[in-house]
Amino acid sequence: DTGVSQNPRHKITKRGQNVTFRCDPISEHNRLYWYRQTLGQGPEFLTYFQNEAQLEKSRLLSDRFSAERPKGSFSTLEIQRTEQGDSAMYLCASSLDPRYEQYFGPGTRLTVT
Amino acid sequence: GDSVTQMEGPVTLSEEAFLTINCTYTATGYPSLFWYVQYPGEGLQLLLKATKADDKGSNKGFEATYRKETTSFHLEKGSVQVSDSAVYFCALSRLTGGGNKLTFGTGTQLKVEL
Repeated sequence: DTGVSQNPRHKITKRGQNVTFRCDPISEHNRLYWYRQTLGQGPEFLTYFQNEAQLEKSRLLSDRFSAERPKGSFSTLEIQRTEQGDSAMYLCASSLDPRYEQYFGPGTRLTVT
Repeated sequence: GDSVTQMEGPVTLSEEAFLTINCTYTATGYPSLFWYVQYPGEGLQLLLKATKADDKGSNKGFEATYRKETTSFHLEKGSVQVSDSAVYFCALSRLTGGGNKLTFGTGTQLKVEL
């Protein structure tokens, strides 16, 4: 059981640059979720996929954010024209089925300078 | 919309003390309720869950009971250890109409001292 993996673990970027994060869910998990966690807060839902279909996006996900899961396996989250307010921990989680537990990855910590 | 409110921390206890972390929720329908734990430098881990009213979730000496009448899911442990020091998050999800996405509280930091 390799668990959910996320890369990179840390990313420092300058304001205005684009960044992309990757999430590899547990094998055969159909559901994949992205959350964002800022310091001192609980994670907030961003978006989720059922296989390759993106089924819901939070209003937190502005036009600068895009997520994909092209083959229903790994997923990428891209942020264009980063802003300082994008600094946060980005968490990925997967589950076998909506009825089952979500397993979280270690997160990618983004710092925008 | 759905929301979770939990007591603010940090909560500082001596080893072997009794722990209660309060959690209340607002949601339509019949949500499932969870406690997640985040140890220093680690990812979120599911601690326990309850899927319907009056269910009790338990794990590692922790327990919480789903109280629909008071919309609460308080976390308790009879005797805490230093190794329980972590941040605890209460959360809910709704399978119907909610996509089963999790709504979290702000987290409560627990510090256990010798």
